[in-house]
Amino acid sequence: GAGVSQSPSNKVTEKGKDVELRCDPISGHTALYWYRQSLGQGLEFLIYFQGNSAPDKSGLPSDRFSAERTGGSVSTLTIQRTQQEDSAVYLCASSLDGPANYGYTFGSGTRLTVV
Amino acid sequence: GENVEQHPSTLSVQEGDSAVIKCTYSDSASNYFPWYKQELGKGPQLIIDIRSNVGEKKDQRIAVTLNKTAKHFSLHITETQPEDSAVYFCAAGNSGYALNFGKGTSLLVTP
Repeated sequence: GAGVSQSPSNKVTEKGKDVELRCDPISGHTALYWYRQSLGQGLEFLIYFQGNSAPDKSGLPSDRFSAERTGGSVSTLTIQRTQQEDSAVYLCASSLDGPANYGYTFGSGTRLTVV
Repeated sequence: GENVEQHPSTLSVQEGDSAVIKCTYSDSASNYFPWYKQELGKGPQLIIDIRSNVGEKKDQRIAVTLNKTAKHFSLHITETQPEDSAVYFCAAGNSGYALNFGKGTSLLVTP
């Protein structure tokens, strides 16, 4: 597609439930990133995929968070046993190559609300 | 790891005036410094970037300057317009690592 597509755009879930957030990057982009943006805050790095290399998971806040990228394209971020502090906008971005070679293109995000 | 500080957190200017946003970074290995603009309900959009081998870059009304010795870089917007109102983020990074972002500056341009 023309841009990075994220779904759903909004998700309301009950505390304790699992959620899956999806990201479709720009075709041909080898790098994919997940960030979290809490209300009025900056962008908190979660995880980074580059080609076939092992992902950089250093930003995942707990073992309830995991992500995968299938076939070097679509990525899914899974949050298990959601907590209220998980409420945020989850942003996905992709770039043609590594992060210091090309700028990111962001999707519009998934707004997650845990009630 | 890299730490990016951004200020001010909010900035209000009158239409036609200039706006300046400043960022500092901690990792001397960082060599790529992009700026993003985020409008309400949208994802951040890249507006300009600069690499460590360049001191200044301009694109119409926006410019970015980089001082590697002092580890700071700035965004300059001249002749501001109401449509420039948004949240602006700076970031720093180097090869192999995801970008680290500042906490953002909310810019309001009043007519």
